[in-house]
Amino acid sequence: GQSLEQPSEVTAVEGAIVQINCTYQTSGFYGLSWYQQHDGGAPTFLSYNALDGLEETGRFSSFLSRSDSYGYLLLQELQMKDSASYFCAVRSQAGYSTLTFGKGTMLLVSP
Amino acid sequence: NAGVTQTPKFQVLKTGQSMTLQCAQDMNHNSMYWYRQDPGMGLRLIYYSASEGTTDKGEVPNGYNVSRLNKREFSLRLESAAPSQTSVYFCASSEGGAGGLNEQFFGPGTRLTVL
Repeated sequence: GQSLEQPSEVTAVEGAIVQINCTYQTSGFYGLSWYQQHDGGAPTFLSYNALDGLEETGRFSSFLSRSDSYGYLLLQELQMKDSASYFCAVRSQAGYSTLTFGKGTMLLVSP
Repeated sequence: NAGVTQTPKFQVLKTGQSMTLQCAQDMNHNSMYWYRQDPGMGLRLIYYSASEGTTDKGEVPNGYNVSRLNKREFSLRLESAAPSQTSVYFCASSEGGAGGLNEQFFGPGTRLTVL
């Protein structure tokens, strides 16, 4: 089976840096994605890592270590609007684009 | 472009009633997906369609059926609704295929309550 573990909640203050970790156990691995979901809204794509290392997109970065089955999402210069749930998701089937999602991490940013 | 659209936005059903959730995308994507989201459970895949003419079960298919009507439309049917199917349902689409990013684009969701 597939399982992904991420913290249920993280809190931080505006302007800070926060890291959301994700560990996974899957029968196959073809990439780790991160999605953001604001309360009541639809998930939206943030980043994708297929190879080891760091990918940077503006204030957000994502890291992957395939040997450790581990990744993280790094959010810098936190803003109030970053308060949301963040999901890691693994693509585990060759030839298919289906994703298995973690249960999500709720990030609360305070002034 | 509207992206991914879903109807209805809200629905209340009684146990045993049936209904169909509609989803359409205008991005010419090959793959489409249905998820349910329950508090604390993340997104769980119900069914997906890798390409027009194909459908496959996901993690939680029991109690549901799907139809890939054409490349644009992918519907989810509850034949006999149960309270356990109270959830938020999201449709998504992606380019599909064996490689690459395959970012999934999500619709706004349908909030379903079964009494």
